[in-house]
Amino acid sequence: NAGVMQNPRHLVRRRGQEARLRCSPMKGHSHVYWYRQLPEEGLKFMVYLQKENIIDESGMPKERFSAEFPKEGPSILRIQQVVRGDSAAYFCASSPNRDKQFFGPGTRLTVL
Amino acid sequence: KQEVTQIPAALSVPEGENLVLNCSFTDSAIYNLQWFRQDPGKGLTSLLLIQSSQREQTSGRLNASLDKSSGRSTLYIAASQPGDSATYLCAENAGGTSYGKLTFGQGTILTVHP
Repeated sequence: NAGVMQNPRHLVRRRGQEARLRCSPMKGHSHVYWYRQLPEEGLKFMVYLQKENIIDESGMPKERFSAEFPKEGPSILRIQQVVRGDSAAYFCASSPNRDKQFFGPGTRLTVL
Repeated sequence: KQEVTQIPAALSVPEGENLVLNCSFTDSAIYNLQWFRQDPGKGLTSLLLIQSSQREQTSGRLNASLDKSSGRSTLYIAASQPGDSATYLCAENAGGTSYGKLTFGQGTILTVHP
C-alpha cells in the first residue's frame, strides 16, 4: 500500500501566479487534511475534506486559497495570486477514519 | 482554543543516553495524541499514537505516555543513537467539533552526537 503521495515536491512561482498542489491519499482513506509549515513556525491546520465535501476550513486564509477533494482523483490545494508570504511547506495527510493520520512528503512552495 | 507546547525546544545528548521529551496540551477532552518525527526537509513519520483511554504506548526504544488530568504527554527514547537526530513533534486531536484536526507543538530538535 503506497503512502500518501504529493506532487510536485518543489514548486516555484512568481508573485501573482497560481499554485496547484496535489495530494493522493492512501488507498482506502477518504479523509484528507492539509497543513502548512511556514519558515521557523510549526505546522498549522488548514482544511479537512472528506470525499467531495469540505468538513472544516477554519485554518484556511479567507482569500486566494481553496481546496477540493473530488470523487475521482487527488485532492487539490489551490492558491491564487501567490505572494511571498505563501512560501512554505504544505503537507497533506490522510486517514481512514479521522483517527491516525499519515502524512505525505510535502510540497515546498517558493514564491519569487 | 487548543494549544500544544513542547519543551525543551532543543536537546543535545551523547549517544546511549536515555531522554525524555515533554508535551503539554490545554484540552482535557483530548481524543488522542500522536508523536511524529520530522527529518530536515522531509515529511512527518508517525511514531506513536495514544488514545485518550490509554496511558502509554511502546514501540521498540520509544515509549509515550499520556496523562489527561495534567494535560501532559512524554516521549521516552531509550539508548539514543545518532540516527535519532530529528525534530520530534507532538500533536493533539481534540475530538468534538475539532475531531480529526491536529494541533501541533513547535517541536523539540534532538541532536544525538556520537
